[in-house]
Amino acid sequence: KNQVEQSPQSLIILEGKNCTLQCNYTVSPFSNLRWYKQDTGRGPVSLTIMTFSENTKSNGRYTATLDADTKQSSLHITASQLSDSASYICVVRSLAGNNRKLIWGLGTSLAVNP
Amino acid sequence: GAVVSQHPSRVICKSGTSVKIECRSLDFQATTMFWYRQFPKQSLMLMATSNEGSKATYEQGVEKDKFLINHASLTLSTLTVTSAHPEDSSFYICSARLREGLYEQFFGPGTRLTVL
Repeated sequence: KNQVEQSPQSLIILEGKNCTLQCNYTVSPFSNLRWYKQDTGRGPVSLTIMTFSENTKSNGRYTATLDADTKQSSLHITASQLSDSASYICVVRSLAGNNRKLIWGLGTSLAVNP
Repeated sequence: GAVVSQHPSRVICKSGTSVKIECRSLDFQATTMFWYRQFPKQSLMLMATSNEGSKATYEQGVEKDKFLINHASLTLSTLTVTSAHPEDSSFYICSARLREGLYEQFFGPGTRLTVL
């Protein structure tokens, strides 16, 4: 069964600290993996998209890694800011059946405190 | 990046009425748009895929007669919740997909529907 699991479910850190969010998936066949940031009451915003051949990709203070062999990804946030408080969702695109299938994780809720 | 807008951002209606939500891609053409529903503390759930000029494809369990989708142009898709009931109260999010490359989806800001 295609699944995307994220950990931790929630996380509280102090402003300025770094953190790493985890994503494990069992989606096959794999197309790409995406990390989204979703603020409360808003739509998701794309942070990174990674294909099979990419191991790491950065977007400002966000760095995503992908290990396609172990089917794991991480999102590292550096020097956190209060505005980083949001839900971070890992999404994997599958090529099975119709090619529009996105498998969504439940997200990690991050709170950055002053 | 590509921008997707939704209107209205928030709507409150009485049970039994119909509500229309618009989704627009502002700076690109989207042959495919998606409609999602999100309940509190849950993932986005795909409701239907809307292709310009053709009928929408609904996910299993989503009533096509209740959630009417129209994708009349390359920049506009609408979702109409017909005869809304309190259980339809949710956060509705649309997205539009680029045709090229990684088929990245860009999401609208969402519409909060509350049915009294």
